[in-house]
Amino acid sequence: AQSVTQPDIHITVSEGASLELRCNYSYGATPYLFWYVQSPGQGLQLLLKYFSGDTLVQGIKGFEAEFKRSQSSFNLRKPSVHWSDAAEYFCAVTNAGNNRKLIWGLGTSLAVNP
Amino acid sequence: GAGVSQSPRYKVAKRGQDVALRCDPISGHVSLFWYQQALGQGPEFLTYFQNEAQLDKSGLPSDRFFAERPEGSVSTLKIQRTQQEDSAVYLCASSFGGGLYEQYFGPGTRLTVT
Repeated sequence: AQSVTQPDIHITVSEGASLELRCNYSYGATPYLFWYVQSPGQGLQLLLKYFSGDTLVQGIKGFEAEFKRSQSSFNLRKPSVHWSDAAEYFCAVTNAGNNRKLIWGLGTSLAVNP
Repeated sequence: GAGVSQSPRYKVAKRGQDVALRCDPISGHVSLFWYQQALGQGPEFLTYFQNEAQLDKSGLPSDRFFAERPEGSVSTLKIQRTQQEDSAVYLCASSFGGGLYEQYFGPGTRLTVT
């Protein structure tokens, strides 16, 4: 079955520290991978996506992610976290079929200490 | 520009009542998705429209859930005879096409069934 695992339910980092959020997927077909951020009271916003090509993708707000097929991973990184990055982060995968429905992880809640 | 809007933002229903949740997608977006997000969980796919055609309704939890998009624009998700387990945030997303286009999310409707 297709699934996405985000092993860390909650992470706390200090402002200015580096960040890595983990995402592992289980998918039979070629995966198309996404990271979304959800801030309180706001809709989900796309940070970045991977379809093909360069396995290191750059996104908005200084985030990047690396696709590693051998590890079935798509980890999100940021070199220096800002207090405004505190939010819920979701990894998602879709297929190459017609519907493009997203299958989501449970999310990682990020807290940032001043 | 206008994003995806949803109404109402909050809905409290007594168990057994019917509810209707509305989604206004971004103008010109062909694809429309509904997701259900329970507290502390990632979103779960409910259904997908391409224009007015409902191409995938595999995620609808029961026959009490019904979605429509009669003119290929506004969509309504209807839940009949609401149950407590229906309490969740219902998210609507739209995208430009049926391909690998970004899904833009609305703020969601928080449904509480008492």
